[in-house]
Amino acid sequence: QKEVEQDPGPLSVPEGAIVSLNCTYSNSAFQYFMWYRQYSRKGPELLMYTYSSGNKEDGRFTAQVDKSSKYISLFIRDSQPSDSATYLCAMSARVQRFGAGTRLTVKP
Amino acid sequence: DTGVSQNPRHKITKRGQNVTFRCDPISEHNRLYWYRQTLGQGPEFLTYFQNEAQLEKSRLLSDRFSAERPKGSFSTLEIQRTEQGDSAMYLCASSRLLGGNTEAFFGQGTRLTVV
Repeated sequence: QKEVEQDPGPLSVPEGAIVSLNCTYSNSAFQYFMWYRQYSRKGPELLMYTYSSGNKEDGRFTAQVDKSSKYISLFIRDSQPSDSATYLCAMSARVQRFGAGTRLTVKP
Repeated sequence: DTGVSQNPRHKITKRGQNVTFRCDPISEHNRLYWYRQTLGQGPEFLTYFQNEAQLEKSRLLSDRFSAERPKGSFSTLEIQRTEQGDSAMYLCASSRLLGGNTEAFFGQGTRLTVV
């Protein structure tokens, strides 16, 4: 079993839709939870990070962490074609461990 | 540009040759990480440094791989006797020590193709 599980998709939604991306994990030591966005042939770009459980909002993006269920989510409201990318979840106690990434396409 | 810089961006090499990649982190960042990413997968941790000390190495890092960070500044990753399975994107990231490694900034990566 991988430490971090993420459905690779692909996920295709119409412009303006609410997108929900999720990851599960098995390591209880993880304390920090991150979401990255990666465009093709580029390095990952940090979107948001959360410490421990709870919600965090930044513009159209909301990150949720439920440590009791070992489950994290990223919601994108009013999705735009420019949001089309691969979204990676990552978690760490000391070193970041990544999910496989979910490929998202937002169609105009 | 004050971000993480990786060189070269692309490298094509013949099987059996040695290759070396360089990473220049953000100047005030104490920690430097190397990851490997293959198509359709997330980055896999290879190793990390705190200043010049190499603190952790993944079991993915076989004895053909070696990383250094002399003087706690730039880092190099060398792969000896390359194999086709080494073909991947090699990513470098850096972060401050304070606050853990939550805000790790990645470079654009070095794409290695072994033919």
